[in-house]
Amino acid sequence: EPEVTQTPSHQVTQMGQEVILRCVPISNHLYFYWYRQILGQKVEFLVSFYNNEISEKSEIFDDQFSVERPDGSNFTLKIRSTKLEDSAMYFCASSRRDYGYTFGSGTRLTVV
Amino acid sequence: GDSVTQMEGPVTLSEEAFLTINCTYTATGYPSLFWYVQYPGEGLQLLLKATKADDKGSNKGFEATYRKETTSFHLEKGSVQVSDSAVYFCALSERFSTGNQFYFGTGTSLTVIP
Repeated sequence: EPEVTQTPSHQVTQMGQEVILRCVPISNHLYFYWYRQILGQKVEFLVSFYNNEISEKSEIFDDQFSVERPDGSNFTLKIRSTKLEDSAMYFCASSRRDYGYTFGSGTRLTVV
Repeated sequence: GDSVTQMEGPVTLSEEAFLTINCTYTATGYPSLFWYVQYPGEGLQLLLKATKADDKGSNKGFEATYRKETTSFHLEKGSVQVSDSAVYFCALSERFSTGNQFYFGTGTSLTVIP
């Protein structure tokens, strides 16, 4: 069964550093998403991406965040200057409009 | 706006006990409903889903029925096992012109003891 692949599975970074979280969505999917889950809290929507641009974003997704689909297969989330409160599990997902979603297994980001 | 409310945990059951985790939703349109499971240290895994009213999703002995009249999608299992210990998330998704968006409940932690 096709999978959404996320790398790395765990990333530790120092506060103020930039991080890039990588995702390879399912190849024939058209919509791409990032969600995050702070430890012990609910999964929250960050951003959706369609047709090479952001289609929706939440208030969490401020100027420190950006997304990119640099080469037609990868979908990346960049955090420019990480803060302690950015520590969370970040999930990538992809979908076709009329079919179900598939989530990746997540990247655990720890900011120290 | 859309939202999902699910039973707060943690829930602790003995092996072979009956499980119910309640979930209700609020949606503007005609959402699809999901249960996701998260095992310790792992990501979100789709457990089951239902895409329209009266559909029943089932997988691994778990079941949930999409009830439009009560806006509910309660998760049930007749006989839980220790390996079912995990956090369970109820979620809905709606289609918008710009794609789909998920709304998750807060999660219910289940511990099954031998």
